[in-house]
Formats: sequence, structure tokens, C-alpha cells
Amino acid sequence: GDSVTQMEGPVTLSEEAFLTINCTYTATGYPSLFWYVQYPGEGLQLLLKATKADDKGSNKGFEATYRKETTSFHLEKGSVQVSDSAVYFCALIQGAQKLVFGQGTRLTINP
Amino acid sequence: DAGVIQSPRHEVTEMGQEVTLRCKPISGHDYLFWYRQTMMRGLELLIYFNNNVPIDDSGMPEDRFSAKMPNASFSTLKIQPSEPRDSAVYFCASSLTGTGGKYGYTFGSGTRLTVV
Repeated sequence: GDSVTQMEGPVTLSEEAFLTINCTYTATGYPSLFWYVQYPGEGLQLLLKATKADDKGSNKGFEATYRKETTSFHLEKGSVQVSDSAVYFCALIQGAQKLVFGQGTRLTINP
Repeated sequence: DAGVIQSPRHEVTEMGQEVTLRCKPISGHDYLFWYRQTMMRGLELLIYFNNNVPIDDSGMPEDRFSAKMPNASFSTLKIQPSEPRDSAVYFCASSLTGTGGKYGYTFGSGTRLTVV
């Protein structure tokens, strides 16, 4: 079945560092891809999305490009802030509306 | 819209007691999902409904868990009897047919359940 694999955490960076969180997927068709973010004590919020190959999703300085040839959707940000500390989930959906999540990556940004 | 509303936010109960978690989806959304989040297993889809009908309950861990959706604006997840290993954060989410691929789901803030 469909699956999503994220880089293992936790990830700890200093403020203003460059961030990459790797995400690869396995799917039989052409899924839509998402990054969700979960701040402490809160639910998941949609951060960005891409619905077809070569699309780039972006929001709040974060970017991810849908790479069909490498089945990847890596999350990047050029300069992280303390407020970016959260858990990040990569996910895919296709067909029957069932969202499949990766295991999540906990990110901590130190001042 | 107020978003997906879950209650209670926190629940502490004793082993063996019945627990009921509640969810109100976004008005007009016809899909509703229940997820469980733990450190060990991450996010697990327990069950989802379409137009109030359960479509896939293969993620429900055992018979102690049951879920209902009596109408389009309300769903419950019940655990009876509860056990300490049920301690987790339970999320409800909703979406609209045809938009899942564009917008994903909208999640509630979750219910943190502790069974002692």
C-alpha cells in the first residue's frame, strides 16, 4: 500500500540555520503531497501542499517540491526561527480520500 | 467557521471506565476521520466515515473501541473498558469530497486521554 517515510528526528538547529527534512513516498498512482505542522499542545495544521509533479508548495518561508522521479517531497527553509519548533509530518493522499502520514520529525530551534 | 471541535480537551479516567470522545466536523464536510497519536506508533487512522457511514474501521485496535456518527454534525469515539495503553491524543479531522487531494484535512485540537 501507499506509504511515507520521513527522516528520523529529533532535529536540533540554531536560529537562522538552513533546514531540510527529507520525505519520500511510495504510491501506485499520482498522489497529492502535503506537509503538516503540529505545534506543542495543538492539532495538525496544513503547512503546504503540491498536487502534481514539479509543483512547488510554499508557506511561511517553507518550501517543498514534488519530485516524481525521486518520489520525494523534501521540506526546506532558508533561515529557521525559534517559533518553527514543532513536529512536521509529510503525508500523501490519492483516490479514496485517505491521508497517509509519515512518522513525524520533531524540530527544535535554539536561540 | 469554528473549525473541527473536539471535546473534552483533556480526560483522565481510571482503568475499566468508559470513555467517550466527541467531535463536531466543519459544517458541510462529508468525511470524518478519527486518529490516535502516540510516541511509539505515531499517527494511526482508526476509522473514517463518509456521509455518516463508516467506510473503513480496520484501524480500530480491538472491540473495546467503537465509533458512531449519528448525524452530519456529530461523532463519538467510545472506549469501554479503558486500559492504560489507550492513553494517547485522539484527533478528529474532516474534509469535503473532491477537496482532499487539494486541501487535505482540517484537524481538531485533539483530546489528550490518560488512563490510570
